[in-house]
Amino acid sequence: DTGVSQDPRHKITKRGQNVTFRCDPISEHNRLYWYRQTLGQGPEFLTYFQNEAQLEKSRLLSDRFSAERPKGSFSTLEIQRTEQGDSAMYLCASSPVETFNYGYTFGSGTRLTVV
Amino acid sequence: SQKIEQNSEALNIQEGKTATLTCNYTNYSPAYLQWYRQDPGRGPVFLLLIRENEKEKRKERLKVTFDTTLKQSLFHITASQPADSATYLCALSNSGNTPLVFGKGTRLSVIA
Repeated sequence: DTGVSQDPRHKITKRGQNVTFRCDPISEHNRLYWYRQTLGQGPEFLTYFQNEAQLEKSRLLSDRFSAERPKGSFSTLEIQRTEQGDSAMYLCASSPVETFNYGYTFGSGTRLTVV
Repeated sequence: SQKIEQNSEALNIQEGKTATLTCNYTNYSPAYLQWYRQDPGRGPVFLLLIRENEKEKRKERLKVTFDTTLKQSLFHITASQPADSATYLCALSNSGNTPLVFGKGTRLSVIA
């Protein structure tokens, strides 16, 4: 297993366009998380899945953001009608269900720049 | 309101010394707390986890303490090396079903 993979690594898009990111978690991990990180800040929680079920979504998350995890494997995060404030690093992480014993494994992130 | 504070944005220390980073929290009752290392342009890497009923955890040159009365965790790197230079993030969760909440991090620079 090569860890958590995210694609693309970088994305530049024009304001108003839609973008979609993909995350492939560690295959044995049931849980998958999306976080967003801006410069000088810690990762900010967006949403998470256990298998294919989306269990929690941040109240701060705009309805322009949507995430899926069909079949409980890879996940996609879509941002519609992007705004300059969406520019950030989008991080995906996975973990076993038994989070009391394990940390999260993060991918290298997708850096989004909205121009 | 709930808050996680890492005491300083940046910390500079001499090689060979012990680095001590602080994480304070308010209005949380964490079941466990974790520390991560993050290098520029990369995702965080898990280092250590400590549960609410544990006082101290060690891993090689790393030590974490957890004081639920003071609502504080301390993270120590002994015999620090320039390769330890990175941002260190504190994160906590109130339960096994609550996603981790992260602090802003402390940027550590170890000077040779």
